[in-house]
Amino acid sequence: ILNVEQSPQSLHVQEGDSTNFTCSFPSSNFYALHWYRWETAKSPEALFVMTLNGDEKKKGRISATLNTKEGYSYLYIKGSQPEDSATYLCALRHQGGKLIFGQGTELSVKP
Amino acid sequence: GAVVSQHPSWVICKSGTSVKIECRSLDFQATTMFWYRQFPKQSLMLMATSNEGSKATYEQGVEKDKFLINHASLTLSTLTVTSAHPEDSSFYICSAQQFGGRTSTDTQYFGPGTRLTVL
Repeated sequence: ILNVEQSPQSLHVQEGDSTNFTCSFPSSNFYALHWYRWETAKSPEALFVMTLNGDEKKKGRISATLNTKEGYSYLYIKGSQPEDSATYLCALRHQGGKLIFGQGTELSVKP
Repeated sequence: GAVVSQHPSWVICKSGTSVKIECRSLDFQATTMFWYRQFPKQSLMLMATSNEGSKATYEQGVEKDKFLINHASLTLSTLTVTSAHPEDSSFYICSAQQFGGRTSTDTQYFGPGTRLTVL
């Protein structure tokens, strides 16, 4: 069973700060790594899907990288805004579509 | 696009009763839907995988007779918690995968979840 670890568990930053979180997993066969953004009382929103070692994806001020050989993915947010406040989840996609989630990083951005 | 709804958003029931939760893909067809559960301070944990027109596949440790899953159409899956007990109190969330996807990058679209409290 794959174990997905996310750090830190929570993060408090000031508006304008850049920040990053880590998703760690055993280097093993998997199909893809997914990042989701989850605001309270809403549906988790898909941010990125990455499959290849060295993949880099970007969406506005948010970007992510993937290192499958060493078993980690980083999510970066440049110039954090209050609306970025949410829980960020990473998940490994296994055979059959099964997603194995980390516990998430809860980000709070203060104005 | 790719919106998934879930109903109800929260429910309180008495111990011993059954509760049905619906998961609908509103603007796409979903061959596969997934049901997850999240206990406080823990990760989303997959309970079962539901394919349209066939029996659900349950994860180890999940009682199939207690958590009944029906996926009768390409847009609707239901989870029924039978004879609910306080330990079943949790956050239940579904996801749907778009029809026809065959690649490893298929995205799962999530509903907003259902908070179940069993008294």
